[in-house]
Amino acid sequence: GEDVEQSLFLSVREGDSSVINCTYTDSSSTYLYWYKQEPGAGLQLLTYIFSNMDMKQDQRLTVLLNKKDKHLSLRIADTQTGDSAIYFCAEISGGYNKLIFGAGTRLAVHP
Amino acid sequence: GAVVSQHPSRVICKSGTSVKIECRSLDFQATTMFWYRQFPKQSLMLMATSNEGSKATYEQGVEKDKFLINHASLTLSTLTVTSAHPEDSSFYICSARDGTTYEQYFGPGTRLTVT
Repeated sequence: GEDVEQSLFLSVREGDSSVINCTYTDSSSTYLYWYKQEPGAGLQLLTYIFSNMDMKQDQRLTVLLNKKDKHLSLRIADTQTGDSAIYFCAEISGGYNKLIFGAGTRLAVHP
Repeated sequence: GAVVSQHPSRVICKSGTSVKIECRSLDFQATTMFWYRQFPKQSLMLMATSNEGSKATYEQGVEKDKFLINHASLTLSTLTVTSAHPEDSSFYICSARDGTTYEQYFGPGTRLTVT
């Protein structure tokens, strides 16, 4: 069935780049997403990538997609303390119906 | 951007009572809304998918008689937790899919505590 996996924790120094990785199993996924969740809050859509793209850049965010390996990554340049949060990757499954989420990667940014 | 609201943001209720949570799309029409449950430090678990004007589709293992979902209009879906028990305590998040763009937008979540 569908499955999305992420590493659970990442710690980076302020100003460095963060790279959060994700693997998925549904090769028919058309869109892949990155969401950010701050403590006690809902999910904020950060960015998404269509499956026929390899890369998408949006200010400090760069998404790379390797469709052959079913690997998705999110790079945050110049990571700031305000970037500390949980980051979820998700794939669309079931014909634009369901979002399947990974377990989330907790990003901790330290001085 | 599109906004989805949830009400209430927090609710505490006694065991055995029922609680209703509302999810509204404020500036777009949502033909489909989703209800998720999130346990502490865990991912979101999809509970059910609701389409406006029809019965909700529940995921395996989710009791439809316990978690009543109504999607009465293109901007409102409600989740009612009936006969709540302490194990129902969780963070409930809805999302709404824009019928035009197919993008999903998430509400801020509702923290339910059953005592």
